[in-house]
Amino acid sequence: AQSVTQLGSHVSVSEGALVLLRCNYSSSVPPYLFWYVQYPNQGLQLLLKYTSAATLVKGINGFEAEFKKSETSFHLTKPSAHMSDAAEYFCAVSDQEKLTFGTGTRLTIIP
Amino acid sequence: GAVVSQHPSWVICKSGTSVKIECRSLDFQATTMFWYRQFPKQSLMLMATSNEGSKATYEQGVEKDKFLINHASLTLSTLTVTSAHPEDSSFYICSASRTSGSYEQYFGPGTRLTVT
Repeated sequence: AQSVTQLGSHVSVSEGALVLLRCNYSSSVPPYLFWYVQYPNQGLQLLLKYTSAATLVKGINGFEAEFKKSETSFHLTKPSAHMSDAAEYFCAVSDQEKLTFGTGTRLTIIP
Repeated sequence: GAVVSQHPSWVICKSGTSVKIECRSLDFQATTMFWYRQFPKQSLMLMATSNEGSKATYEQGVEKDKFLINHASLTLSTLTVTSAHPEDSSFYICSASRTSGSYEQYFGPGTRLTVT
């Protein structure tokens, strides 16, 4: 069985500040890990994915995430927040068939 | 590439009626399609997985007679909510993968269903 835990259902950061969204996973097999972003009333957009290659993964819009096996973590970061980053973010783990999503983190950017 | 569309984007129907939602892969053939349901401010819950030409596999707790899924071609899957009730109101999102067992899914924009 696989699962994902996102710590913090709501994160607020000031514009220009570091964004850190936390994700820890549990998987019985080497995982594939994903971060998705969802804007209001829209579907999911893939930000980045880890597929057992480089542990530091760079994605779109300046986001990146680091896979740490020892910590079973895949935290999402962005050095400088922009107003357009305000959205819901989901971490997900795949067993090559099904995706299991975390509960999501709503990111608010303070002007 | 890998664009998935859904139609309609939003629909309002009366209680007791049925509504069909279409999911199409526009520029690739989707061996497997997935249907998710998302309640307000909550995560996505997988409802069912469908493979072209075969019956859908439903997740535990999902009523297969209420949520009819048809995957008639490699580019089209439909979800029909039968005898809809207000509690079926939700955001329904489909996704598609290029090959069976592929870890990557491409998501549609979602369909907002409101049952009055």
